[in-house]
Amino acid sequence: AQTVTQSQPEMSVQEAETVTLSCTYDTSESDYYLFWYKQPPSRQMILVIRQEAYKQQNATENRFSVNFQKAAKSFSLKISDSQLGDAAMYFCAYRGKLKPGTGKLIFGQGTTLQVKP
Amino acid sequence: AAGVIQSPRHLIKEKRETATLKCYPIPRHDTVYWYQQGPGQDPQFLISFYEKMQSDKGSIPDRFSAQQFSDYHSELNMSSLELGDSALYFCASSRGDGGPTQETQYFGPGTRLLVL
Repeated sequence: AQTVTQSQPEMSVQEAETVTLSCTYDTSESDYYLFWYKQPPSRQMILVIRQEAYKQQNATENRFSVNFQKAAKSFSLKISDSQLGDAAMYFCAYRGKLKPGTGKLIFGQGTTLQVKP
Repeated sequence: AAGVIQSPRHLIKEKRETATLKCYPIPRHDTVYWYQQGPGQDPQFLISFYEKMQSDKGSIPDRFSAQQFSDYHSELNMSSLELGDSALYFCASSRGDGGPTQETQYFGPGTRLLVL
């Protein structure tokens, strides 16, 4: 069975600085998808970034980028120029590349990010 | 852009009562996933539907049932509610047509269920 581990329960960063959130996963599949979701105090789950395992290039979305190391099964999220609105719980999630309707997300435990002004 | 709609947003029930949660996916999305998130926990997969058929099942209690209708909206029916059912229930939708965004699930705002 696939597992996702986020070993940092809490992180803090100074506004405008850069922070990296860690995520490791375990799978025997060769093709899959990885995601970072943000959950602010409103508890809405917001997609931050997605990575397809067969793509070597790391995904980037504005201030958010990932460092995907497939051999090490590592998928870290880097937030540049941190803003107060980035404060939230961040979940790393895994999805196998399966037939439609069977791709449930497997989440890590989450990392709470605090942004200090 | 249209998002996933869930209703009600908040629900308070007594033990042993029944609750029905509704989910309206993003237009042209044919796949719905239900997740349960307890306080301080990560979301846990309950059940999913693709093209109106149940496609996968997770840790969903036998007291719960769900279906997807012809218009692709889905309902999660919860009976004999227990205190431990108090949680945030998310619905997420995606497209199963093999397009570039097929694998991405978009979440609704959730339904907060409190069982007293």
